[in-house]
Amino acid sequence: KQEVTQIPAALSVPEGENLVLNCSFTDSAIYNLQWFRQDPGKGLTSLLLIQSSQREQTSGRLNASLDKSSGRSTLYIAASQPGDSATYLCAVRQGLGNFNKFYFGSGTKLNVKP
Amino acid sequence: EPEVTQTPSHQVTQMGQEVILRCVPISNHLYFYWYRQILGQKVEFLVSFYNNEISEKSEIFDDQFSVERPDGSNFTLKIRSTKLEDSAMYFCASGEGRETQYFGPGTRLLVL
Repeated sequence: KQEVTQIPAALSVPEGENLVLNCSFTDSAIYNLQWFRQDPGKGLTSLLLIQSSQREQTSGRLNASLDKSSGRSTLYIAASQPGDSATYLCAVRQGLGNFNKFYFGSGTKLNVKP
Repeated sequence: EPEVTQTPSHQVTQMGQEVILRCVPISNHLYFYWYRQILGQKVEFLVSFYNNEISEKSEIFDDQFSVERPDGSNFTLKIRSTKLEDSAMYFCASGEGRETQYFGPGTRLLVL
């Protein structure tokens, strides 16, 4: 069974720092990997999606990389801001066609201090 | 901007009672999902739904659970006989294709 692990579990940084969040998965046969943001008591917001054939995706200050063969992904946040404070989740999707299963990590709780 | 909505936001029920959680996906989306998140634990996939049928379900989604798209707009999750361990936040999500999913704000279910 696929296991998704995220480290660190929590991270506190001063505003302006660049930071890296890590995600690893045990089964490399994935369809895609997605990074989400979850604010307290709220749903998930998709940040970046990387297809299994891709190496990285960028959106603004966010850059996500994927090394499928080693079962790793990183989310890089440049010039962090207090508004970036949230829990960041990675999730992998497995399956073919319309048959898919999803596996989430337990998240990294980020606190960006002003 | 279109968004996924869920009702109710909170529900308290007695063990053994049936509950129905409701979701209104984004209107042109074709793929629908339910997830749950027990307090302090990972988000867990429950079920995916496409073309009016379940396309995949997890080990959690046993005979106590069912999903339905009764009227072309709502997407419901029914738990027939709730157990204490069903207490969780339940998230609905929808997608236009099999790629990015858009999540609703969740329903917090408490089983007493």
